[in-house]
Amino acid sequence: DIQMTQSSSSFSVSLGDRVTITCKASEDIYNRLAWYQQKPGNAPRLLISGVTSLETGVPSRFSGSGSGKDYTLSITSLQTEDVATYYCQQYWSTPWTFGGGTKLEIK
Amino acid sequence: EVQLQESGPSLVKPSQTLSLTCSVTGDSITSGYWNWIRKFPGNKLEYMGYISYSGSTYYNPSLKSRISITRDTSKNQYYLQLNSVTTEDTATYYCARSLHGRGFAYWGQGTLVTVSA
Repeated sequence: DIQMTQSSSSFSVSLGDRVTITCKASEDIYNRLAWYQQKPGNAPRLLISGVTSLETGVPSRFSGSGSGKDYTLSITSLQTEDVATYYCQQYWSTPWTFGGGTKLEIK
Repeated sequence: EVQLQESGPSLVKPSQTLSLTCSVTGDSITSGYWNWIRKFPGNKLEYMGYISYSGSTYYNPSLKSRISITRDTSKNQYYLQLNSVTTEDTATYYCARSLHGRGFAYWGQGTLVTVSA
């Protein structure tokens, strides 16, 4: 199985900050990378597919980048509603696998 | 709008079978891929498997021979069975629709299943 590692399980941020969340695959996943946002009590929400493609309705302050094994999710000017846990997921090779999640908390 | 809804028992005894239903509206399960995903306490997400538009299935090898995903196209529902459960199977179970070349675009709200005597 491809292991997906999100190096930070949580970190504290301030409203208005630029936030970068990293995700590293154990092998090349050829840009088959998605990001999800999950808030308590809700299902995960797909934010980005194919590294950079924003889903309909996702604010433009979210963006993705990366290639090969290394990927990032960026949020410019963090808003209150962005406080959540973020997961990466690869869909290059079955079984599809997820990162462990990065929880954003407000300072 | 595509909507998915899980249903089933919230408590299952060890060694018994966990059975869940995913009811789909706004789309047909005879198109695309229909998945089960679970989230353990502590937030780890695990992909369990899918049933495709044709009825073919894929299961995560980690679940070995314990898992079965079936469907009833007349009801537009699909099902999860997980046999011989242990307390390690306690999780929130989600059904989700994946789109080709994208991730899991539509999710049910999830159902917490606790395995306990």
